[in-house]
Amino acid sequence: DGGITQSPKYLFRKEGQNVTLSCEQNLNHDAMYWYRQDPGQGLRLIYYSQIVNDFQKGDIAEGYSVSREKKESFPLTVTSAQKNPTAFYLCASSSGISYNEQFFGPGTRLTVL
Amino acid sequence: GEDVEQSLFLSVREGDSSVINCTYTDSSSTYLYWYKQEPGAGLQLLTYIFSNMDMKQDQRLTVLLNKKDKHLSLRIADTQTGDSAIYFCALVSGGYQKVTFGTGTKLQVIP
Repeated sequence: DGGITQSPKYLFRKEGQNVTLSCEQNLNHDAMYWYRQDPGQGLRLIYYSQIVNDFQKGDIAEGYSVSREKKESFPLTVTSAQKNPTAFYLCASSSGISYNEQFFGPGTRLTVL
Repeated sequence: GEDVEQSLFLSVREGDSSVINCTYTDSSSTYLYWYKQEPGAGLQLLTYIFSNMDMKQDQRLTVLLNKKDKHLSLRIADTQTGDSAIYFCALVSGGYQKVTFGTGTKLQVIP
């Protein structure tokens, strides 16, 4: 089955630690995205990548970093510089053609203690 | 940047119609979407409309687009308890692959 996976589902970290969230897709999509979701604020774009070895900052990139070494993978690192990291993080991918539907992973809920 | 607004909450009785509204600022959007998010899960595309259309119907779903007022709506006929979720409108603005999401409307269906 083709799809997009995120792991883990729940993640707990101590304040000051960096943490990396995994995102993998086997849909052969060129574009991948990371969003942060907070209650009442919808989805905010952190980073996106249109092709391997290239990525751009979204609206709230400060305190986050990404890499895109393989087409299938787009990991997100939440660094200690992110002031309020506790949130629900969603990864998505799209083919970039036609109506450009984005396919979402199940999300990772990060709690920083 | 693009601004996409929705009301936060809507409550309807099972069997009634639900209408979820969305307003936006960028008139150059080409595609406009409705996504559904069930609790603790990712988003799923429900339907989309191209900007040269006024209406699109897909079974119980009807999308209306008023380009003059920059207003998009989603009507769900015969709303069921399984329709309880958060609904996001979204649209392409600026770059081709950048999608801006609304704030989301939580739909509660009362049995």
